[in-house]
Amino acid sequence: GAVVSQHPSWVICKSGTSVKIECRSLDFQATTMFWYRQFPKQSLMLMATSNEGSKATYEQGVEKDKFLINHASLTLSTLTVTSAHPEDSSFYICSATGHYEQYFGPGTRLTVT
Amino acid sequence: KNEVEQSPQNLTAQEGEFITINCSYSVGISALHWLQQHPGGGIVSLFMLSSGKKKHGRLIATINIQEKHSSLHITASHPRDSAVYICAVNTGNQFYFGTGTSLTVIP
Repeated sequence: GAVVSQHPSWVICKSGTSVKIECRSLDFQATTMFWYRQFPKQSLMLMATSNEGSKATYEQGVEKDKFLINHASLTLSTLTVTSAHPEDSSFYICSATGHYEQYFGPGTRLTVT
Repeated sequence: KNEVEQSPQNLTAQEGEFITINCSYSVGISALHWLQQHPGGGIVSLFMLSSGKKKHGRLIATINIQEKHSSLHITASHPRDSAVYICAVNTGNQFYFGTGTSLTVIP
């Protein structure tokens, strides 16, 4: 079946640095990918919708200059957390639309020290 | 008020029991998803429904569009079913997520 991968699965970085998270659809082309974040013991929160070849659409309250999203191809979207702060520590998940279904990546756990 | 409400929030069951998790929503949807999240955080999409009923192994998902309600059933529950189950709805423009049901199946 369709698979979505994320890389890295976990990352630790220092405050002020930038971190890039990749989301790939492995066996299908995804014109739309979604990025979510999840704080401990809370549900998923949609951050942005990423369409191939166009600018991402950000949800209210999500800083687009801080969370840079690039969807350069039909199989890859990237989320870059710029100038990371400890409060950015979270679980970041992507999903992709393919074969009329939504497929979720395994997530990336980001810890900012 | 949340667009998606799940019940119960927490559920403990004995191995072998039949389990039902409920999801009610208040928005018009194009599809409803049931997701499973294991303690490590990874998410697996169990079902995507727009009508009727789907079955996969011991899992059954139903949806009633008129009543804006969906249920996830687990037959013959097993400790490996222990996870958080999340209901999510897609309005076509946006996803809304329930807060999840934490299921623990005791051997």
